[in-house]
Amino acid sequence: GAVVSQHPSWVICKSGTSVKIECRSLDFQATTMFWYRQFPKQSLMLMATSNEGSKATYEQGVEKDKFLINHASLTLSTLTVTSAHPEDSSFYICSARDLAGGRNEQFFGPGTRLTVL
Amino acid sequence: AQSVTQLGSHVSVSEGALVLLRCNYSSSVPPYLFWYVQYPNQGLQLLLKYTTGATLVKGINGFEAEFKKSETSFHLTKPSAHMSDAAEYFCAVSVNGNKLVFGAGTILRVKS
Repeated sequence: GAVVSQHPSWVICKSGTSVKIECRSLDFQATTMFWYRQFPKQSLMLMATSNEGSKATYEQGVEKDKFLINHASLTLSTLTVTSAHPEDSSFYICSARDLAGGRNEQFFGPGTRLTVL
Repeated sequence: AQSVTQLGSHVSVSEGALVLLRCNYSSSVPPYLFWYVQYPNQGLQLLLKYTTGATLVKGINGFEAEFKKSETSFHLTKPSAHMSDAAEYFCAVSVNGNKLVFGAGTILRVKS
């Protein structure tokens, strides 16, 4: 099956710094990737839809200037949490949509746990 | 807009017993429905999905789910629970396979 990786798997940073999280589709091309956020003991909430070569579409209530998304290639999307604060601590999960062969399925990365001190 | 309700945030079963995790959805258009499993500190793994066609869907690890339009339900079942099934399970709905809307999740505990 299709594989999606995320890097780093975990990161600890100081308040006020920026953190970049990478999401890669390893064996397929993904014109669309999705970024989700999961708070402890809660469900996944879609933050934004990342489209290759164009601007990301953010969900209501998500600050686009705080969560910068870049989808520069068909296999890589990045999420940058700018000026991170403790309330940004969360589990961030990406998914990539595989449309090859008529398949329309999202494959999820293993997640990145961000802790902001 | 779509939404998903998972009844029961925690379900506990004995090893070998039937597993039943409930999911009801709301959608103004024909939905795609999914069940995912998440182990601690990991991403999501697709168990099964319904898009069109046969309403009884079989997935991995012996799980299956039945789409019942009249009941707007997509409950997940497994005839006999294994210890390795202990995890959190998420039901999700989407339109045409686009962005997913997840339920709150159900934590399955399997007792020996």
